[in-house]
Amino acid sequence: GQNIDQPTEMTATEGAIVQINCTYQTSGFNGLFWYQQHAGEAPTFLSYNVLDGLEEKGRFSSFLSRSKGYSYLLLKELQMKDSASYLCAAGAGSYQLTFGKGTKLSVIP
Amino acid sequence: GAVVSQHPSRVICKSGTSVKIECRSLDFQATTMFWYRQFPKKSLMLMATSNEGSKATYEQGVEKDKFLINHASLTLSTLTVTSAHPEDSSFYICSALTDIQYFGAGTRLSVL
Repeated sequence: GQNIDQPTEMTATEGAIVQINCTYQTSGFNGLFWYQQHAGEAPTFLSYNVLDGLEEKGRFSSFLSRSKGYSYLLLKELQMKDSASYLCAAGAGSYQLTFGKGTKLSVIP
Repeated sequence: GAVVSQHPSRVICKSGTSVKIECRSLDFQATTMFWYRQFPKKSLMLMATSNEGSKATYEQGVEKDKFLINHASLTLSTLTVTSAHPEDSSFYICSALTDIQYFGAGTRLSVL
């Protein structure tokens, strides 16, 4: 079966760094996605990892370890607008995604 | 990035009526679209995979006669919730596939 785990909520201070972890167990795994979702809005694509290692994209970086079934999303220089839910999703099969419950990040001044 | 339009954004209906939700890819063609359902503080749950020109593939536990999906063109898929009941109240989100899945803004359905 498919199982994606990530923390429910996190709080961090503006300007700080935060790491959101995700563990997954999925058959036919073909990549790990991170999406950002503001309340009542569409999830927007942040990153995709298929190989082990760190992918950096501006203030956001994502890491994958396939052998450990583990990923994290790293957000640097946090801004208030980064307050949102961050969804970890494992890709499998024909482009299907299995989502975690999402981590609600609150950035405080 | 690619744009996916979902309409309506919010709908309130009476129990027993049917509701149609549209999902359009605005600047690209999508052979495959997906329909998800999201409950508060829960993950997006895949309901079905919509393929242009063929029947949708439904996930286990999703009633195909209740949630009718039509993917009539490469830019449009529709989800019709038939004979809606209060337990169908939820947030429905579609996505369209190119290199990755691009999501619509979702539809908040409230059945009275």
